[in-house]
Amino acid sequence: DADVTQTPRNRITKTGKRIMLECSQTKGHDRMYWYRQDPGLGLRLIYYSFDVKDINKGEISDGYSVSRQAQAKFSLSLESAIPNQTALYFCATSDITLSHGYTFGSGTRLTVV
Amino acid sequence: GENVEQHPSTLSVQEGDSAVIKCTYSDSASNYFPWYKQELGKRPQLIIDIRSNVGEKKDQRIAVTLNKTAKHFSLHITETQPEDSAVYFCAASKRSGGYQKVTFGTGTKLQVIP
Repeated sequence: DADVTQTPRNRITKTGKRIMLECSQTKGHDRMYWYRQDPGLGLRLIYYSFDVKDINKGEISDGYSVSRQAQAKFSLSLESAIPNQTALYFCATSDITLSHGYTFGSGTRLTVV
Repeated sequence: GENVEQHPSTLSVQEGDSAVIKCTYSDSASNYFPWYKQELGKRPQLIIDIRSNVGEKKDQRIAVTLNKTAKHFSLHITETQPEDSAVYFCAASKRSGGYQKVTFGTGTKLQVIP
């Protein structure tokens, strides 16, 4: 289903470049998240947002920034990409109580060379 | 903070056999325990969850059990089928500062051999 959409799906970028990953949702959820997935490390939280006026750091926010442009849009930026930011990035949404867990986007595979 | 350990990291079973994946958590305040399935190249999807006021929950061939005293919970898949092959993630969640903080395990790659 396309209720949480991420763009781009794949991206190769050079060290030092700025890159933005975008996420939009039609779930009507207030809460949005950015996670990073690395082999053997599971999913780690980068940033989360409760609404357009609320942004919070997760466990691995260094080197990343986010913007909540609207209730339905949450973007993740790498200001100056480095190779160890090569990973699979997922956006997710939820309601306040996690009554149905997270709905994840399809992911963005980012490679920094 | 919360620490979630998941075992095994890989699991191979014959089609039709059962599979069990176990997770332990450290924070007794955790009150919600979801399980996600991630097929190759796909997004993680919630398959079952359990809250701390319940000891067991079933949905067709999958079940989750929770032992709050021992701080562990398990996913049980019976009559496994090739389409069950995927990576499974457990998670533990607790209320923290107005939101449900979720900590994921490191994943179990399940292979069902036809």
